[in-house]
Amino acid sequence: GDSVTQTEGLVTLTEGLPVMLNCTYQSTYSPFLFWYVQHLNEAPKLLLKSFTDNKRPEHQGFHATLHKSSSSFHLQKSSAQLSDSALYYCALSDVSGGSNYKLTFGKGTLLTVTP
Amino acid sequence: ETAVFQTPNYHVTQVGNEVSFNCKQTLGHDTMYWYKQDSKKLLKIMFSYNNKQLIVNETVPRRFSPQSSDKAHLNLRIKSVEPEDSAVYLCASSSGLGAYEQYFGPGTRLTVL
Repeated sequence: GDSVTQTEGLVTLTEGLPVMLNCTYQSTYSPFLFWYVQHLNEAPKLLLKSFTDNKRPEHQGFHATLHKSSSSFHLQKSSAQLSDSALYYCALSDVSGGSNYKLTFGKGTLLTVTP
Repeated sequence: ETAVFQTPNYHVTQVGNEVSFNCKQTLGHDTMYWYKQDSKKLLKIMFSYNNKQLIVNETVPRRFSPQSSDKAHLNLRIKSVEPEDSAVYLCASSSGLGAYEQYFGPGTRLTVL
């Protein structure tokens, strides 16, 4: 079955330092990867999703590249901001229809950015 | 801008009671979902509906039942709640299956005493 493994637990960074949240996956069929972000007391919302070609999606300074050879979709940002403090989920959907297209989430990484 | 609405925001109840949660989306989407987010923030799919048809029914206890009246509404009923049902229940919708962005509602926090 599909599974997602991401940097677990809490990541604490000082403002201005680079952000790297790891995400690796296992998928039997055709994976499509997402990053969702959930700020405190808010609903999760999409941050990025992978492309089928080699384009690198970017949003709000964050970017991620799908590497099928290493089954990874790490989230990066060059300089952390206080407003980036949130819970980040990596998620996988099988777009071939295996697993009925369901979205499988990793356990989430809580990013805290300090001044 | 909220486009996926859930009621109630919070619900506190006793073990064995029945509860119902409502979800409505105004995005014109064909697909809707229910997720459970537990106290450790684990987010797991429970059900998904596409054009009012059940697509995904994960291994959830039989006391949970989704109810879809039309494509814009997907409710969740729990027949006899248990303490382990305490969680945030998130409703979501998307314009299709697979590679489509899912839009989440604010959630219903259930506490079972």
